[in-house]
Amino acid sequence: AAGVIQSPRHLIKEKRETATLKCYPIPRHDTVYWYQQGPGQDPQFLISFYEKMQSDKGSIPDRFSAQQFSDYHSELNMSSLELGDSALYFCASSLAAANTGELFFGEGSRLTVL
Amino acid sequence: AQSVTQPDIHITVSEGASLELRCNYSYGATPYLFWYVQSPGQGLQLLLKYFSGDTLVQGIKGFEAEFKRSQSSFNLRKPSVHWSDAAEYFCAVVVDSSYKLIFGSGTRLLVRP
Repeated sequence: AAGVIQSPRHLIKEKRETATLKCYPIPRHDTVYWYQQGPGQDPQFLISFYEKMQSDKGSIPDRFSAQQFSDYHSELNMSSLELGDSALYFCASSLAAANTGELFFGEGSRLTVL
Repeated sequence: AQSVTQPDIHITVSEGASLELRCNYSYGATPYLFWYVQSPGQGLQLLLKYFSGDTLVQGIKGFEAEFKRSQSSFNLRKPSVHWSDAAEYFCAVVVDSSYKLIFGSGTRLLVRP
């Protein structure tokens, strides 16, 4: 079965650079969530989208932005990168109509800021 | 504020021994409850979930969890641990209609040969 696809899997950037992470949800899933997991930390909710509209917002820095496109894929844009942005970024998708709260996670994109 | 507590940061068990990982949540109503496992550098794999009904739920890899409303707990158990079970385990809850997950801080399981 198709899973959530994230790209790139690994990314190395310098401070103050910009990075873009992409997420392709499971087909027919209409909701996408982004999480950030720092080293040794639990995943922290950043932002979510339902039907291409932002549905909830968590601890996402102002330097970050995200959107969901017409094909339901989502991109997380991170600017003015800081060392503390080094983390594993997870995308998850779900089908809102399923009403189960079950999220399906991708493998994650590991961002390293030097 | 809603929260999830995993009181044990690390747990070490011998291979073949039983395991129980604790999870408590703070929320007025019954949330949706989940356990995820994460191997080093890997993604999050769903072990099991509880929405309603039977309070003892079975998951993959021989894991089970029991929801106890009176204790606001959802502890994960396995009768006999295998070396491959060594990983980080996260308890998580969904508490509102946004369905975003709130994770506990995780418990790292180490398995002695």
